[in-house]
Amino acid sequence: NAGVTQTPKFQVLKTGQSMTLQCAQDMNHEYMSWYRQDPGMGLRLIHYSVGAGITDQGEVPNGYNVSRSTTEDFPLRLLSAAPSQTSVYFCASSYDSRGFDTEAFFGQGTRLTVV
Amino acid sequence: GENVEQHPSTLSVQEGDSAVIKCTYSDSASNYFPWYKQELGKRPQLIIDIRSNVGEKKDQRIAVTLNKTAKHFSLHITETQPEDSAVYFCAANPNTGNQFYFGTGTSLTVIP
Repeated sequence: NAGVTQTPKFQVLKTGQSMTLQCAQDMNHEYMSWYRQDPGMGLRLIHYSVGAGITDQGEVPNGYNVSRSTTEDFPLRLLSAAPSQTSVYFCASSYDSRGFDTEAFFGQGTRLTVV
Repeated sequence: GENVEQHPSTLSVQEGDSAVIKCTYSDSASNYFPWYKQELGKRPQLIIDIRSNVGEKKDQRIAVTLNKTAKHFSLHITETQPEDSAVYFCAANPNTGNQFYFGTGTSLTVIP
């Protein structure tokens, strides 16, 4: 198993550009989510999904869109990049078929710089 | 929503000493509390977790305690080693999906 795979690893965008961060998992996990990590702020939840076709907002959703058309994929779209979106982005997945919370497995991260 | 606070933000200990990191949470519905270790430039990885029906859990040199009444939980690392140097994050899950709310992290340095 590859686990959780994010692409790209690094990206530089100009203000106003749009792009999609890709996330795929091969562990048949039901739950997937996106976090951003900024110095001194920990990991903050952007959007999450509890299954294909179901998404919801986290703590900091503004400026981002998500969709979950398949169990495996959970892309994050930046609609119009702003310097405030410069951050490291992590995708995570976890499995909960019995109602128990289990650990979140993280991708390797995408370092995004908006200039 | 859930709010997780973590202290201290930085911690330096001598090799062999113990390290303690403390977190508090606000949502009484939270029932799962993982701890993650993140080395520089790497992804967070789970080191230990505890559920709300358990007060303490140990795994070799690492232990976590949970006080549901006071809404706080702590990570204890004994006999610290230089390879324990990393950033540690606590998190809480209010049992509504894959929503983990993280603390702001503790940068632990173990001095040889």
